[in-house]
Amino acid sequence: EPEVTQTPSHQVTQMGQEVILRCVPISNHLYFYWYRQILGQKVEFLVSFYNNEISEKSEIFDDQFSVERPDGSNFTLKIRSTKLEDSAMYFCASIGTSGGLPSYEQYFGPGTRLTVT
Amino acid sequence: AQSVTQPDIHITVSEGASLELRCNYSYGATPYLFWYVQSPGQGLQLLLKYFSGDTLVQGIKGFEAEFKRSQSSFNLRKPSVHWSDAAEYFCAVALTDSWGKLQFGAGTQVVVTP
Repeated sequence: EPEVTQTPSHQVTQMGQEVILRCVPISNHLYFYWYRQILGQKVEFLVSFYNNEISEKSEIFDDQFSVERPDGSNFTLKIRSTKLEDSAMYFCASIGTSGGLPSYEQYFGPGTRLTVT
Repeated sequence: AQSVTQPDIHITVSEGASLELRCNYSYGATPYLFWYVQSPGQGLQLLLKYFSGDTLVQGIKGFEAEFKRSQSSFNLRKPSVHWSDAAEYFCAVALTDSWGKLQFGAGTQVVVTP
């Protein structure tokens, strides 16, 4: 069964450093998402991406964040200057289409645990 | 305000007993509804979804959920719980004009006792 993959599984970085979290969505999916889950809290939407541009972003997704689909398979989340409060599990997800519209059934990757020290 | 509410933060259930997890939503229109499960250290796995039609939906691992429009609820049930069902369960909604964005409830932690 196709699945979403994410690397690395765990990333430790120092405050102020840049990190790139990588995701490989399911190959024929066209809608891509990033979510985060701070330890003990609920999963929060960060950004959605379609047709090589951001379609929606949350207030969390400020200028420190960016997303990119650098090639036909990867989907990345970059945090330019990490803060302690960026420590969280980051999930990538993707959706296929049905009749040209999103199918709404999101497939999640296993997550990257980001620890900012 | 638009919201997804899971009133129970934590539920303890005996193995073999039935389980019901509550979810209520507050949106202007009926959203698409989902239940996800997260085992410790794992990602999110889709249990079931409701888009339209039959209000009782069957999912994986023996779970089912019932959509009640009048109560704005989408409660998850399992007739007989197994120890492997111990996990965190999230209710989520997607608005039909939202590019598929999911809004999650706070989650319910399920503990299964022998």
